[in-house]
Order: sequence, then C-alpha cells, then structure tokens
Amino acid sequence: EVQLVGSGGGLVQPGGSLRLSCAASGFDFRTYDMIWVRQAPGKGLEWVSYISSSSGTKLYGDSVKGRFTTSRDNAKNSLFVQMNSLRADDTAVYYCARVRAAAGTYYYMDVWGKGSAVTVSS
Amino acid sequence: QTVVTQEPSFSVSPGGTVTLTCGLSSGSVSTYYYPSWYQQTPGQAPRTLIYSTGTRSSGVPDRYSGSILGNRAALTITGAQADDESDYYCALYMGSGIWVFGGGTKLTVL
Repeated sequence: EVQLVGSGGGLVQPGGSLRLSCAASGFDFRTYDMIWVRQAPGKGLEWVSYISSSSGTKLYGDSVKGRFTTSRDNAKNSLFVQMNSLRADDTAVYYCARVRAAAGTYYYMDVWGKGSAVTVSS
Repeated sequence: QTVVTQEPSFSVSPGGTVTLTCGLSSGSVSTYYYPSWYQQTPGQAPRTLIYSTGTRSSGVPDRYSGSILGNRAALTITGAQADDESDYYCALYMGSGIWVFGGGTKLTVL
C-alpha cells in the first residue's frame, strides 16, 4: 500500500524549533518529488515547501523562507522539514504529499500523509 | 502575489448538481495552470479528485468532473450525495514546484 506517515509534531514555544518527518512506503520514494503543505486551524491549505527527488531543488513559501529547511533521505524513504524560529502563525497541521509531474501533461499531488499537528504557544 | 479565489460556501440538494469554481485575482485560469482539485473532510488529509483540469484521480467516481468555464477552473458534482459534504480546494501550478491553493469551498448537502 502506498503510504505517507507523518510524525514529530507537538507543542513548541515561540522562537523554538521542531523537526517533522514523513515516512514513505509502498513506492519508490527516491523517484518522486515531494512537498509540504500546511493548514492553520480553520483555514485553507498552504503550500510550504518543495523538494525534488534528488534534493537538487528546494523551494519555500515566502512565509517560511529562511526559517524552514526541507530535506530527504532517499535511503531511508524519509522526508523532513526542520522548522526554526517558530511563530504563533506557524501553528498548523503539516501534511507531506507526493508530487506527480510530467512535463506538459500534469502537475499535482496524488498521495497525502495524515498530517502532523504543530502548536506554537507559550 | 498570486491569489486563487473560490466560493467560500455552496449548498446543493441531494441528487442535485453543483459547480464550484476557481479563479485568479488577476488573469484567467487556463489549462496551463494544470488545475487540480482536492476534497477534505474535517480532521482528515486531503484526497485528490481531479488533476490536469479534468482527469479523475484513481478511484474517484465519474460524478466528479473538472473543466475550464470561461476564465475559471470548475469542479462539477452531479447527483450529489450526503458524503460529498466536504471542503473542496483547487490548486494551480505556478511552475518549478510551486502551487497556490484557493481558500476552499465548504459544500453543504441539504
């Protein structure tokens, strides 16, 4: 079964750090680009970060640029996001998602993890 | 800054048809944005419904269809059922691994 399982969420104080993980199974993780998407309480989805299959390209939304770092370990089928200098408005459920991309044909997310809840509060 | 717009809420009667749309604050949505649609129920991860404007994801019933209507992407649900009551998000591909999501439409079936 194709699956993404997120972990590492929790409560952290403003200014603190947290590292989220996303474990992939059931597919050849190393061949897929991946993204992180978050959802603040009662709000919509927000694209956070993108990482290419080889880690050669990493992109970040303006709201997290300079504070978040996305990485992956293809040998361990795992995706990570290191979140530093956390603020209250980073409070959200963070989803990892698999990207499907074929030039000129499709670009979308087809598999979603269950999400990790992050609360930034003192 | 690119803003993707969706109707905040919509209601449909059981068995009815509803069309949700997805637009850009400035400009038109075309197939070149590869619009995709996601369904989300409270407490759950999003589920992929439609990609590349009108292609249904695996296992998605043909009650769901996607298209371009005028200058907006559209998701049409025919024969609405109670379990269609969800939040629906569109996403537009901006290139280079960047997507912008709409604010979502809360669909009520009553």
